[in-house]
Amino acid sequence: DAKTTQPNSMESNEEEPVHLPCNHSTISGTDYIHWYRQLPSQGPEYVIHGLTSNVNNRMASLAIAEDRKSSTLILHRATLRDAAVYYCILVVSGGSNYKLTFGKGTLLTVNP
Amino acid sequence: DAGVIQSPRHEVTEMGQEVTLRCKPISGHNSLFWYRQTMMRGLELLIYFNNNVPIDDSGMPEDRFSAKMPNASFSTLKIQPSEPRDSAVYFCASTKTGSYEQYFGPGTRLTVT
Repeated sequence: DAKTTQPNSMESNEEEPVHLPCNHSTISGTDYIHWYRQLPSQGPEYVIHGLTSNVNNRMASLAIAEDRKSSTLILHRATLRDAAVYYCILVVSGGSNYKLTFGKGTLLTVNP
Repeated sequence: DAGVIQSPRHEVTEMGQEVTLRCKPISGHNSLFWYRQTMMRGLELLIYFNNNVPIDDSGMPEDRFSAKMPNASFSTLKIQPSEPRDSAVYFCASTKTGSYEQYFGPGTRLTVT
């Protein structure tokens, strides 16, 4: 399975943008890039995913490098509620079943 | 929608006892996943079902663990006999064919003494 590399932790201030990086140099052409986050004492929750083009939704934006070997999750204005562990996961496209292989993720701390 | 429902939320048991964790997926979802989370190993997929059929149980640690999905709205994960190293948070997640978004339950925190 293709692996991802993320910083162990990052810190941000409230209401400032946050850029969470992810390296996936061995990504294959059929791998989607997914982001999940896990708030304290909760199960993971889906944030966003993409294949080649940048993606936006109500929670975040995903910027994907042209060679797809890295991506960045962007939180435009961090709030205290965004403090969580963020996981970058590669998912093989196609089929009706897929598995999420979680790494250690990035622990995001948001300062008031 | 109530989301994925797991019970119990907390379970404390003694080594050697049987433990059964329960999960109700979101209505209409046809894939169900069981994960385990520990500090040492992080989040690991144990087993997943599609249309009530186990597809991949390669993550199940050993024969003490078993999972069933008798119908589309219910699944169990059983540990017999339980051991202290089974202490973890167990998550259930569900999704539907064609969707890449998995919905996780709140988890069951299991403590085996």
